[in-house]
Amino acid sequence: EAAVTQSPRSKVAVTGGKVTLSCHQTNNHDYMYWYRQDTGHGLRLIHYSYVADSTEKGDIPDGYKASRPSQENFSLILELASLSQTAVYFCASSDNGGPYAEQFFGPGTRLTVL
Amino acid sequence: GDSVTQTEGLVTLTKGLPVMLNCTYQTTYSPFLFWYVQHLNEAPKLLLKSSTDNKRTEHQGFYATLHKSSSSFHLQKSSVQLSDSALYFCALSPMNYNQGKLIFGQGTKLSIKP
Repeated sequence: EAAVTQSPRSKVAVTGGKVTLSCHQTNNHDYMYWYRQDTGHGLRLIHYSYVADSTEKGDIPDGYKASRPSQENFSLILELASLSQTAVYFCASSDNGGPYAEQFFGPGTRLTVL
Repeated sequence: GDSVTQTEGLVTLTKGLPVMLNCTYQTTYSPFLFWYVQHLNEAPKLLLKSSTDNKRTEHQGFYATLHKSSSSFHLQKSSVQLSDSALYFCALSPMNYNQGKLIFGQGTKLSIKP
């Protein structure tokens, strides 16, 4: 079965600090995604990537950067963390970019910015 | 623009009763619809999906029918179990979306009582 792991599973950060969230997949999938989950908003796409060394902006990219150094790894970077970035972050992967493709999610990272 | 609406934030039911979770969508393109389920402290997982108008799709006792005439994809089950307690997300992938991007609804929390 597909395997997507995330680290850390939870983190407390200070306002203005730098935060890096990591995602690793062993599915041999080309596509990877970062979402944030807020109560009442469902999941919203931040950044995604369909090939190593390339990333694309999603629907809410402001305040976030992404890095895809290899097919297996995809990081989300908050250069200057803010209170509004407190949320649960999910990474996902899929084997193709078709509209019917299933996405496989990691367990999530709970980020609290104080 | 494209969007997904789930009208119920929380649905509480007694075990054994039927359930219907509402999902409507908006898009000008041919739609692909998904239901993802997220159990407590777990990753979201695909429950079922469809792109065929008026065809019932079933998985693990849940079923849904895509109705393009009413832009709906409601999730149903005839008899809920305690293990069905979870967060349910409806998601849309319009035909024009490449790279497999999804638009999620706000989510419906289903809570089953003994």
